[in-house]
Amino acid sequence: AQSVSQHNHHVILSEAASLELGCNYSYGGTVNLFWYVQYPGQHLQLLLKYFSGDPLVKGIKGFEAEFIKSKFSFNLRKPSVQWSDTAEYFCAVNRISGTYKYIFGTGTRLKVLA
Amino acid sequence: DTGVSQDPRHKITKRGQNVTFRCDPISEHNRLYWYRQTLGQGPEFLTYFQNEAQLEKSRLLSDRFSAERPKGSFSTLEIQRTEQGDSAMYLCASSLGQGGTYEQYFGPGTRLTVT
Repeated sequence: AQSVSQHNHHVILSEAASLELGCNYSYGGTVNLFWYVQYPGQHLQLLLKYFSGDPLVKGIKGFEAEFIKSKFSFNLRKPSVQWSDTAEYFCAVNRISGTYKYIFGTGTRLKVLA
Repeated sequence: DTGVSQDPRHKITKRGQNVTFRCDPISEHNRLYWYRQTLGQGPEFLTYFQNEAQLEKSRLLSDRFSAERPKGSFSTLEIQRTEQGDSAMYLCASSLGQGGTYEQYFGPGTRLTVT
């Protein structure tokens, strides 16, 4: 079935540790890829996006993601996490068959220990 | 604040009652989306509008659900004869259409609890 998969549902890290969250999608053709973050009590905010061009994209707050077309992956990374990165992270895909609705992954809940 | 707004933020209703939610998108955005999010899941697409036209509806949107965007600005989502399974966070998002980069901006959501 067509889907967006986030393999890590819960991640716990200490401050200054490196972060990598996986995202895989199963759609062929051209897609746009996004990572959103939801801090406790807040609404979904865009972290970064990929449409075309350089497969390594940089977003806000020191996050980056790499699009690997051959692996249908768009993993999120941050070299050194902070306590304030504690949040839920969602990968999303759109432009599937020409539609712009998002298909979201199930999310990864990140807890950073001070 | 010029972001997406939703009203109410919380709604508690009894099973069988009707509820209506409102979404005000970012003013220059012509696309508006509704999603539903339950605990432990990512948001699921319900429907979207381009201007006042409803262009796509998910099969999740049963005949008890109806959405409108009468003047291409704000939108309403109505649920008739609510069921406990309708309890969820209802999210609204908006985006630019053609010429935009298609990312969606989300509102704070309306949390519905059906008792």
